[in-house]
Amino acid sequence: NAGVTQTPKFQVLKTGQSMTLQCAQDMNHNSMYWYRQDPGMGLRLIYYSASEGTTDKGEVPNGYNVSRLNKREFSLRLESAAPSQTSVYFCASSLLGANTEAFFGQGTRLTVV
Amino acid sequence: QQQVKQSPQSLIVQKGGIPIINCAYENTAFDYFPWYQQFPGKGPALLIAIRPDVSEKKEGRFTISFNKSAKQFSLHIMDSQPGDSATYFCAASIWLWDTDKLIFGTGTRLQVFP
Repeated sequence: NAGVTQTPKFQVLKTGQSMTLQCAQDMNHNSMYWYRQDPGMGLRLIYYSASEGTTDKGEVPNGYNVSRLNKREFSLRLESAAPSQTSVYFCASSLLGANTEAFFGQGTRLTVV
Repeated sequence: QQQVKQSPQSLIVQKGGIPIINCAYENTAFDYFPWYQQFPGKGPALLIAIRPDVSEKKEGRFTISFNKSAKQFSLHIMDSQPGDSATYFCAASIWLWDTDKLIFGTGTRLQVFP
């Protein structure tokens, strides 16, 4: 099993450009999450999806949108990238919500210039 | 109310030492407290977790101590090894009918020297 797969692994964007980060899991998990990791800030929750067809805001949702395309896939979109969105982005999934083990992807390192 | 506060930010110990990482929370609705370990260039991975109905949990050299009344929990690493050098995150979760959040602390970078 691949687990949680994120694409791309690296990306450089110019300010104002848009892009979508893709995430897919093959573990039949119900819940999926997007986090950003910044030095000294830990992992901050951007959006989560408790089940297929539902999404909700986390701690830092501004500037992002998400789509839970189906049970496997949860994408994160930056409509107009800003330098403050330079970060490492992690997708995660868990079987039955936040009270069960979360499995993380390898991360996407995004730089906005 | 959603925050999880973690300390110290970094920790250096010698092989065989017992590093201790502390976390505190305020929201009593949190009901699951995992610790994640992250190596450079990798995603975090679950190390050990505890629920608030127990005060201590051990898995190998890793122990969580949980103090519900103080709203604090800590990770102890017994007989630490250079391979334990990583960043450790505490976390707390809320899972209700309309809420499914796993909130992380700011992380502790642990270095274990031979």
